[in-house]
Amino acid sequence: DTAVSQTPKYLVTQMGNDKSIKCEQNLGHDTMYWYKQDSKKFLKIMFSYNNKELIINETVPNRFSPKSPDKAHLNLHINSLELGDSAVYFCASSSGTVNSPLHFGNGTRLTVT
Amino acid sequence: EDQVTQSPEALRLQEGESSSLNCSYTVSGLRGLFWYRQDPGKGPEFLFTLYSAGEEKEKERLKATLTKKESFLHITAPKPEDSATYLCAVQGWTSGSRLTFGEGTQLTVNP
Repeated sequence: DTAVSQTPKYLVTQMGNDKSIKCEQNLGHDTMYWYKQDSKKFLKIMFSYNNKELIINETVPNRFSPKSPDKAHLNLHINSLELGDSAVYFCASSSGTVNSPLHFGNGTRLTVT
Repeated sequence: EDQVTQSPEALRLQEGESSSLNCSYTVSGLRGLFWYRQDPGKGPEFLFTLYSAGEEKEKERLKATLTKKESFLHITAPKPEDSATYLCAVQGWTSGSRLTFGEGTQLTVNP
């Protein structure tokens, strides 16, 4: 069984378009995250939700908007896509307790042309 | 601001040739240091959490150690299937649940 699943795996789109990435976890975790991994493999946190409430909102353009309909789902909507948004986006979850490790999905490779 | 620097960026080993990966960190009160393994096209897979200086953890051919400024991931007699990118991350007491990652070490083990 897949613990953290995100769709789609690949997303190719043109500048200016709006797109969404979906994420679901079946681990019963309370906390979910979006991370961005650039071409140098550097993983950087974007957002975190705990029980549907936004708790971390890094310096991310307003074009990025996370939505958590329930604690098992965290979606990422991106408006007016730009070339610099091309990256791999990872969803992750954790139990939210101190030192609890993150469990990652397999990523969505977004290419903006 | 928490910072993590990993070295080397890339490492090539022959099968059976032991070595170590380094993770240097700066954090305002370490809550935990995490090691992950990432295979191409996959998400990072959790390996270890270390909490305090002097702590060690082992899993198969991997052993992680921690000092007050750095962590080492020792790989003993590696096999080709150990080839992956190894990521180090820290969580500080003022960071909430946020993890700060290093850029990783890409390990290749040749048969």
